[in-house]
Parts: sequence; C-alpha cells; structure tokens
Amino acid sequence: AQTVTQSQPEMSVQEAETVTLSCTYDTSESDYYLFWYKQPPSRQMILVIRQEAYKQQNATENRFSVNFQKAAKSFSLKISDSQLGDAAMYFCAYRYTNSGNTPLVFGKGTRLSVIA
Amino acid sequence: DTEVTQTPKHLVMGMTNKKSLKCEQHMGHRAMYWYKQKAKKPPELMFVYSYEKLSINESVPSRFSPECPNSSLLNLHLHALQPEDSALYLCASSHQTDRSSPLHFGNGTRLTVT
Repeated sequence: AQTVTQSQPEMSVQEAETVTLSCTYDTSESDYYLFWYKQPPSRQMILVIRQEAYKQQNATENRFSVNFQKAAKSFSLKISDSQLGDAAMYFCAYRYTNSGNTPLVFGKGTRLSVIA
Repeated sequence: DTEVTQTPKHLVMGMTNKKSLKCEQHMGHRAMYWYKQKAKKPPELMFVYSYEKLSINESVPSRFSPECPNSSLLNLHLHALQPEDSALYLCASSHQTDRSSPLHFGNGTRLTVT
C-alpha cells in the first residue's frame, strides 16, 4: 500500500522569507503523480502544484516549487517570499495513475503559520 | 470560486434524521469522490464513482449511501448517523481519462450529528 509521510506537524515562517515543507512517500509503482494541496480556514482544498514521476525537472508555480527526488521518494515544497495568505494546512498527496479515477492518498498535513 | 459546488455548507442533524449532501460539477468530469475529514486530520476516502458507477467503497458503514444520478451530480444520503460521524464532508471530481488530472474539491459540508 502507498503511504505518504509529512514529518512536520507545524511550521512557521516570517513574511517574505522562504520555507520548505517535507514529504516522503512509499510506493512500488513507477508511474504516479505527486501533489501539494493547501487548505485554508475556508476549508476548500486548493491545488498548489503537481509533479509527474517521469519528469525529472522539478515543477514550479510562481512562488511555489518542489524538490522531487524519485530515488529517495522525497517531494518537498518550497514557498518563496511567503505571504500572509499562505497560512494554511498543506497536504502532500500521492496518486497512482493506472486510470483517471484513482483517488489521492494524503499525508497528515503540515500547518504553516506566517508571521508578519 | 469553486468549480465543484457542495450544499448545504452546514448541516446539523439528529441521530434519527435522514438527510442528503449534494455535490455538483459542470467540468465534464466522469470521476467523482466523497472524502470525510475530521478536525486537524487529512481527508479519508469514502467512495469513488466512475462513469456514474460505484467503483470504490472504502468499507463505509451502510448508514452512508452514495448516489450518482447523472454525470454532474453526486449525492450522499445519511441515515441513523452517530455523533462520531460529525466531520467535514468533501466532494471532488477529476477527468476519468486524463491520468494527470488533479482532483478538484468543493468547499465541503460541515456536518454535526447531535
């Protein structure tokens, strides 16, 4: 079974600084996707960034980037120039891609606080 | 704005009540999901529908009954719930044939069972 581990229950960062959230996963599959979702107090799960396992290049989305280490099964999220609106719960998620209806497996989450 | 709409936003029900949660999307997605999320926990998968047919049931108690009447709608019928069923219920959808498609989530229904 696939598992996703987020070892940092809580993190904090000063506004405008950079923070890295850690995620490791366990799978025997070679074809899969990894995601970071953000859940602010408004409750909606918002996709932050995704990475395909076959792509060696790390994904980036504006201030968000990942460090994907497939051999180490590591998928960390870096947030640059942190903003107050980045404060939220961040979930790392894995998805095996044998079809389009495979569900996400989530880590336990990291609560990020941004200090003004 | 969310492309997956869930109603109601909040629901309080007694243990003998029957209620339904509704989820709607118009993105043409043919895979739809129900997740349950307790406070400070990650979402837990309950059901997956693929082309309006139930494809995954994660051993959910029968007091939760899902229904997918058409490709845009997903319902969760609730009956004889327990207080421990109080949680945030999230609906999500994704492209059935696009393996790279992420799940798109609604804002959830906050359920309280008294």
